[in-house]
Amino acid sequence: NAGVTQTPKFQVLKTGQSMTLQCAQDMNHNSMYWYRQDPGMGLRLIYYSASEGTTDKGEVPNGYNVSRLNKREFSLRLESAAPSQTSVYFCASSPRTANNYEQYFGPGTRLTVT
Amino acid sequence: DAKTTQPPSMDCAEGRAANLPCNHSTISGNEYVYWYRQIHSQGPQYIIHGLKNNETNEMASLIITEDRKSSTLILPHATLRDTAVYYCIVREYGNKLVFGAGTILRVKS
Repeated sequence: NAGVTQTPKFQVLKTGQSMTLQCAQDMNHNSMYWYRQDPGMGLRLIYYSASEGTTDKGEVPNGYNVSRLNKREFSLRLESAAPSQTSVYFCASSPRTANNYEQYFGPGTRLTVT
Repeated sequence: DAKTTQPPSMDCAEGRAANLPCNHSTISGNEYVYWYRQIHSQGPQYIIHGLKNNETNEMASLIITEDRKSSTLILPHATLRDTAVYYCIVREYGNKLVFGAGTILRVKS
C-alpha cells in the first residue's frame, strides 16, 4: 500500500503559468481533500470531495480548481499562478464511513511561484 | 466547530511522558476531539480521537475531562522522533478538519 501519493514533489512556476497537482490514493477511500500550508501556519482546506463525482469549496478556494477523476484520483489546478500561492500543498483521503473519519495525508508538493 | 487553545511550545525529556494540553471550552455535545501531528513538514499524521471517554492506542492516550472543556494527549515514553507540531482539533462527526497553529513539542536527550 503506497497510501496517498502526490506528484510532483517540488515545482517552480512563473507568475501566470498554469499547472496541475496530482494526488492518488490506493486505500479505496471515499473522501479526498486538498490543503495548503504557508510557512509557520496550520493547514487550510482548499477543496474537498466527499465522494466520487462531488466537489466542494473549503476555506481558501480562490485561484484553484479541482477534478475528482475517479475514486482514486483528485487533482488540483492552478490556472494562473500568483506569488501568493507559494506554499506546500497536501492531499489527504478519508474512508468517511460510520466509524472512521480519520484523514491520511500525502507527503506534500512544495510550490514556489516567482 | 469549537475553537481550541494550545500552548505554542513545550519541551520534554527523552523517555519521560509528554503531556500536551488543549482547551476547548465551547465544545458541544456532538463534537469529537482529534489529535494529529506533523513531523518536520511531512504530511500530518492521525494520532487519536475521542468523544467522552478516555482513549488509548499504540501511539498515545487521550484524557478528556468530565465537562469535556479540555483534554490532554499523553505520549507515555517520548523519543526524539516524537519532536513535531501537535494539533488538537474539535469537530462534528463527519465535518472538515480545521487546523490551528498547534503545539511544537521538542523532545530533548
